[in-house]
Amino acid sequence: DGGITQSPKYLFRKEGQNVTLSCEQNLNHDAMYWYRQDPGQGLRLIYYSQIVNDFQKGDIAEGYSVSREKKESFPLTVTSAQKNPTAFYLCASSRQGVAEAFFGQGTRLTVV
Amino acid sequence: AQSVTQLDSQVPVFEEAPVELRCNYSSSVSVYLFWYVQYPNQGLQLLLKYLSGSTLVKGINGFEAEFNKSQTSFHLRKPSVHISDTAEYFCAVTRIDFTSGTYKYIFGTGTRLKVLA
Repeated sequence: DGGITQSPKYLFRKEGQNVTLSCEQNLNHDAMYWYRQDPGQGLRLIYYSQIVNDFQKGDIAEGYSVSREKKESFPLTVTSAQKNPTAFYLCASSRQGVAEAFFGQGTRLTVV
Repeated sequence: AQSVTQLDSQVPVFEEAPVELRCNYSSSVSVYLFWYVQYPNQGLQLLLKYLSGSTLVKGINGFEAEFNKSQTSFHLRKPSVHISDTAEYFCAVTRIDFTSGTYKYIFGTGTRLKVLA
C-alpha cells in the first residue's frame, strides 16, 4: 500500500541536541511538506519542497532545516536553535497540480 | 491573505444527535476547501473536499459539508454522530501558487468533537 511513513513515532531530545525526523513516501508525489502542531494553534508550515534538491521556508522555519536529496524522502532536523521544539510534527505530500495532501502519522518530539 | 476561522474549539454532543462544526474562511481569490479528521496521536485523514461543482459535498463516515460562497463558509455536518466520531476536526483552504505550482494550505485551529454516551 502506498503511503507516508514518519519515524520515530515518539522522540525525546535533550536540550542543546539536534534531532532528525524521518519522512518517506512511496506515492510518487512531487511536493512534500512539514507542519508543526501545537494545542489550540492548528498546523503551521515549517518547510516545503516541490522537487528534488529544492525547498522553501514556510511560516516558522527558524530553528529547523531540511534536505530533499531523493524524491521519496524529506527529513526534518530540529536544531538546538529552536527555542521550543516540543510539539507534534506532521509530514505531508501531494502530487504536482493536485490540491489534496496526504499526511503521515506524525512524530511527537519532547525535550527533556 | 487567506485565513481560516473555526470559532468552536470544543463541541460536546450526545450520541445519535446531529452536529455542525463551523468553518469560515477569507480569501480574495477562489480557493479549495477541505475537512480533515485527526484521532489522538495520529496524522490527518481527509474527510471531504470541495474543488468545484456541487456546493454540497459528501465525505466519508457520513459527513457532509456545504460550500457557501456568499457567506464564505464551509460548515461540516453529520445527522447522527457515534462515539467513534470523537476526534479533532480541521478545516483548511488552499490555492495554487502559479509561480511555484505548489498548493499551500492554511489550517484552522481545529474543533474538538466529543461525543457523549
